[in-house]
Amino acid sequence: QLVESGGGVVQPGESLRLSCTTSEVTFSTYGMHWVRQAPNKGLEWVAYIRHDGSKEYYPDSAKGRFTISRDNSKSTLYLQMKSLTADDTGIYYCAKDIRWGSQNYFDYWGQGTLVTVSS
Amino acid sequence: QSVLTQPPSVSGASGQRVTISCTGSSANIGADYAVHWYRQLPGTAPKVLIYGNDNRPSGVPDRFSGSKSGTSASLAISGLQAEDEADYYCQSYDSSLSAWVFGGGTKLTVL
Repeated sequence: QLVESGGGVVQPGESLRLSCTTSEVTFSTYGMHWVRQAPNKGLEWVAYIRHDGSKEYYPDSAKGRFTISRDNSKSTLYLQMKSLTADDTGIYYCAKDIRWGSQNYFDYWGQGTLVTVSS
Repeated sequence: QSVLTQPPSVSGASGQRVTISCTGSSANIGADYAVHWYRQLPGTAPKVLIYGNDNRPSGVPDRFSGSKSGTSASLAISGLQAEDEADYYCQSYDSSLSAWVFGGGTKLTVL
């Protein structure tokens, strides 16, 4: 089970840190993603981190503003977001990565946390 | 718009069969990256329905099937049931964007 927290209402230009915790003892063995969904819109991948935190990946829309990190001792994933704009409004999901051959997909998702950027 | 193209909506009568298409390009589906499908019931998080083009996770009924050919993929749902009403998303990897990408989603209505 994955549980996100940290969402809320912030003003444009502000920062926010999201968390995703799990009770799974195997947390340190798999990569993790953040995926967001704007209101009544589709899904957008925003960040991925390897199981040991050694490498991070972002789409262009998140590079330079979002930072994904993890603390395996706490079985917790983070997403630090800065310089937020209205376009960042939406539900943010953490999702467990699973390998299929040499490729990845999103195996299990948390329930999401809502981020609203508004003045 | 999304890198992967899906029809915004499809519908079918209870018991019938419907298909949802997912069209990509030579940078994603056509580059031999696998296609995965997710179902999102209203107000809930997505769940994987099909992985690796045509594989069902345990617990997913065999009414759901996936296929892939060239730069496109399809999700077929047979024996439609009222509880199948949901949004369906395809997903793959795009080598030109170096990003995991989704289709725009398809809303299934069971008549």
